[in-house]
Amino acid sequence: AQSVAQPEDQVNVAEGNPLTVKCTYSVSGNPYLFWYVQYPNRGLQFLLKYITGDNLVKGSYGFEAEFNKSQTSFHLKKPSALVSDSALYFCAVRDSFNKFYFGSGTKLNVKP
Amino acid sequence: DGGITQSPKYLFRKEGQNVTLSCEQNLNHDAMYWYRQDPGQGLRLIYYSQIVNDFQKGDIAEGYSVSREKKESFPLTVTSAQKNPTAFYLCASNPHISTDTQYFGPGTRLTVL
Repeated sequence: AQSVAQPEDQVNVAEGNPLTVKCTYSVSGNPYLFWYVQYPNRGLQFLLKYITGDNLVKGSYGFEAEFNKSQTSFHLKKPSALVSDSALYFCAVRDSFNKFYFGSGTKLNVKP
Repeated sequence: DGGITQSPKYLFRKEGQNVTLSCEQNLNHDAMYWYRQDPGQGLRLIYYSQIVNDFQKGDIAEGYSVSREKKESFPLTVTSAQKNPTAFYLCASNPHISTDTQYFGPGTRLTVL
């Protein structure tokens, strides 16, 4: 069965410091992996995806993610955090039947 | 929020009443989805539809019903059988391309009084 785990409910980081939001996955077949961001009372916005190719994927707003097949991880990263990055982040995996499986979400707090 | 609209943004319901949440997309996407979001639980799939006139139950379909009579519309009815309907409901769509993402609507917050 497909599943996604986000082990941290909350991540706190100071503005200007690098940030990492962790995600591990379990999927049969090729992993199609996604990161989304959600601001309060809004829908999810797409940040980036891994389908194939380079393990380092670059996305919107300066975010990137590193795919690691051996560790079944897809961690979200940003070299320098902004206060405006504070939001809820979701990792997701898509299966071959066009269903998406989401992690429980990680709240990112960036303090000035 | 792309080309997906959800209405209303806020909805209040009395216990025992059915209520229908609207979801419309103009992206010409084949697949549409309904999720429920509760604090600390992420997104849980209620129903999804891969094509017009066809839909499948997700993980938490009990107490909900859907229809897919038109490609662009996928309304969700929360029935009185749903014991704890207060939540944030998200509609999403995506084309039938395995590498593409989902596109989300802005959500409807349902509160049972």
